[in-house]
Amino acid sequence: GAVVSQHPSRVICKSGTSVKIECRSLDFQATTMFWYRQFPKQSLMLMATSNEGSKATYEQGVEKDKFLINHASLTLSTLTVTSAHPEDSSFYICSAGTGAGYGYTFGSGTRLTVV
Amino acid sequence: GENVEQHPSTLSVQEGDSAVIKCTYSDSASNYFPWYKQELGKRPQLIIDIRSNVGEKKDQRIAVTLNKTAKHFSLHITETQPEDSAVYFCAASLASGGSYIPTFGRGTSLIVHP
Repeated sequence: GAVVSQHPSRVICKSGTSVKIECRSLDFQATTMFWYRQFPKQSLMLMATSNEGSKATYEQGVEKDKFLINHASLTLSTLTVTSAHPEDSSFYICSAGTGAGYGYTFGSGTRLTVV
Repeated sequence: GENVEQHPSTLSVQEGDSAVIKCTYSDSASNYFPWYKQELGKRPQLIIDIRSNVGEKKDQRIAVTLNKTAKHFSLHITETQPEDSAVYFCAASLASGGSYIPTFGRGTSLIVHP
């Protein structure tokens, strides 16, 4: 079945630094990838949708310059949290799909802690 | 845009009992309704889904029903087991041409007591 690999699983960074999170589709070509943020005991909040080779579409309220998304190939999308602050601490998770049918597979998530 | 309400937020049952989680949606155009199970610190896993041309779907102990007129859908888990304990999310979306963006409910924390 479709496998999505997300790295790192956990990262601790200092305030003001940038962190890059990778999401890879291992056995299929992902034409669309979604990036979500999840606060403790809360639902998945969509941050942005990225299609391979084009700019990401950000949800209202999500800062494009702070959360940089790159979907340069059909197997890799990256989310970079720039100039991270403690309030950016959260669980970030990607999901990817082929566009064939309605199935999307989630990555394992990244726990970001900004100190 | 779509708005999904999910109830209850917490559900506690005894092993062997049934559990029901209900969701309502606002956009009558939505036509695809997946359910995800998320264990603590792990990724959400699709457990069952239903499309708008079907009223009910069953997979072993799990079933989902859809009432398009009332715009609500429900997850039913029978003969619950401790390993069913997790957070369950419903979602509603408009699936078109193989592409869709789901709107998630707030989640239900299911606790199954042995």
